[in-house]
Amino acid sequence: NAGVTQTPKFQVLKTGQSMTLQCAQDMNHNSMYWYRQDPGMGLRLIYYSASEGTTDKGEVPNGYNVSRLNKREFSLRLESAAPSQTSVYFCATQRQGVFTDTQYFGPGTRLTVL
Amino acid sequence: AQSVTQLGSHVSVSEGALVLLRCNYSSSVPPYLFWYVQYPNQGLQLLLKYTSAATLVKGINGFEAEFKKSETSFHLTKPSAHMSDAAEYFCAVSGGSQGNLIFGKGTKLSVKP
Repeated sequence: NAGVTQTPKFQVLKTGQSMTLQCAQDMNHNSMYWYRQDPGMGLRLIYYSASEGTTDKGEVPNGYNVSRLNKREFSLRLESAAPSQTSVYFCATQRQGVFTDTQYFGPGTRLTVL
Repeated sequence: AQSVTQLGSHVSVSEGALVLLRCNYSSSVPPYLFWYVQYPNQGLQLLLKYTSAATLVKGINGFEAEFKKSETSFHLTKPSAHMSDAAEYFCAVSGGSQGNLIFGKGTKLSVKP
């Protein structure tokens, strides 16, 4: 079992370029999340998907779009990257969107926007 | 609305000393609380969680945390620090509107030989 995988691990973009961050899970979980981590800020929720075909905005959605392609995959797209989007991005999964359930995190994508 | 405050962005202890990482929460409903650890250049790994079954929660790697409702605290402790405990630790409360976790800003633990 790979758990939660993310690709790529590292990426450098120029301002205005676009890219898609990929997340896949083999845990058969329904809920998936995208967070960003910035120094001294903890993790903040970008987007959330309760199940295949549904997505919702989190705390910091501006500049991002998401797709829940199927139960396994949840992608995050930056249409026109900005330096403020330099961050570490984590995908997480949860069996259901239930408060007591553990969230499992991928290894992260480290993105730099020049 | 739920929130989490971690006191001290950086804590340094000597190997073998007590580790105490502080977390206070604010919640309008009974909280579910989590501690995660992040080793350098890795994702977050669950250390332990409180889901109202018992106020003293034991986790992996010898860590434990005690839920104190009167103090709205969920501090993380370990009796004897090991070099391998050097990492960043995040306290989180469950209850975001989408079922997401709300994280504190993290505490980086350094362990001196």
